[in-house]
Amino acid sequence: SQQGEEDPQALSIQEGENATMNCSYKTSINNLQWYRQNSGRGLVHLILIRSNEREKHSGRLRVTLDTSKKSSSLLITASRAADTASYFCATDDNYGQNFVFGPGTRLSVLP
Amino acid sequence: DVKVTQSSRYLVKRTGEKVFLECVQDMDHENMFWYRQDPGLGLRLIYFSYDVKMKEKGDIPEGYSVSREKKERFSLILESASTNQTSMYLCATWDSLGYGYTFGSGTRLTVV
Repeated sequence: SQQGEEDPQALSIQEGENATMNCSYKTSINNLQWYRQNSGRGLVHLILIRSNEREKHSGRLRVTLDTSKKSSSLLITASRAADTASYFCATDDNYGQNFVFGPGTRLSVLP
Repeated sequence: DVKVTQSSRYLVKRTGEKVFLECVQDMDHENMFWYRQDPGLGLRLIYFSYDVKMKEKGDIPEGYSVSREKKERFSLILESASTNQTSMYLCATWDSLGYGYTFGSGTRLTVV
């Protein structure tokens, strides 16, 4: 079944650096989303990018989508300690009704 | 802002007990979902509902059932709790504009 696979599984950077996470998926999609989860909490929606879009920005977040490579990336610029969290990509299923989540990337931003 | 409220943050139940996990949303969203989250496995869909009294099985429905008597409330039921159902349970809604899921804070269930 369709599932986004995030890479790397874990990432540790210093405050102020940029963090890049990647998501690859197997079959065609209509939409791809990125979520953040702080430890022990629910997921928070960050960005939704549609298959006809190549790039979207939201504050310090930049998401790209390359449908030919079936991949997406999430870039967090000028990272802060508060960005420490797990990040998940979610891809819609063949019917566009439900989204399937990958196992996530654990980001640690060290002060 | 849409709020999705899960009734308990932490829950400890005994094997064989019937367990109810409640989820309430304060917006008029038709679509509601229950996921479980386990380390290394990500989120897995248990059940979802697109309308009152309507339910659909997700990827791992065995051992679970759901109830949606009112639009704002979606309950997950563990008929006879087992230790392999120890997990984080997340409820979510999806609005018709499709901007993304809104998740509750989660219920960490431990079955002993």
